[in-house]
Amino acid sequence: DTGVSQNPRHKITKRGQNVTFRCDPISEHNRLYWYRQTLGQGPEFLTYFQNEAQLEKSRLLSDRFSAERPKGSFSTLEIQRTEQGDSAMYLCASSSLLVHQETQYFGPGTRLLVL
Amino acid sequence: GENVEQHPSTLSVQEGDSAVIKCTYSDSASNYFPWYKQELGKGPQLIIDIRSNVGEKKDQRIAVTLNKTAKHFSLHITETQPEDSAVYFCAAMYSSASKIIFGSGTRLSIRP
Repeated sequence: DTGVSQNPRHKITKRGQNVTFRCDPISEHNRLYWYRQTLGQGPEFLTYFQNEAQLEKSRLLSDRFSAERPKGSFSTLEIQRTEQGDSAMYLCASSSLLVHQETQYFGPGTRLLVL
Repeated sequence: GENVEQHPSTLSVQEGDSAVIKCTYSDSASNYFPWYKQELGKGPQLIIDIRSNVGEKKDQRIAVTLNKTAKHFSLHITETQPEDSAVYFCAAMYSSASKIIFGSGTRLSIRP
């Protein structure tokens, strides 16, 4: 069994470009979460999915951010027209509704640097 | 609003000594409290968690205590080892199996 995987691990982009990150949750985990972590801070919730339905979005998730989970398995997070303030670690987590549904397991993250 | 406060922000202890990290939460409806360890360049790793119907939980050298009346919870690491050096985050969950609210982290350093 593999854990949560995220790709790419690192991304450097220029301001104004679009970027897309991918998250593959633990197999058969129904819920998938996206968090953002800036240097020296704890992760902050962005959004989560139960299967393919996006159930909650944080006010941190501006109109430039969009997340999808079309088949209820992997998810993508896209940032359009990136800004320097978007530089952060983007973390994905997953959990199962069947066993200890509160427990979230995190991936290694995608570190984004916007120049 | 939803908030988790964590202290201290940095902690240095001698190898073999104990380390204690304390957190408070604001929403009395919270019922799940995980602790994560994060090493440089890696994602947070769950090390122990406690639910509101339990006052204390222990797993080898790690223990967590919860005081629901005071809305306090703490992490205790005994017999610290060099590999315990990392950033530790406390967290609280505010509704059934949805978002986690994290504290600001404690950077723990173990002196040889």
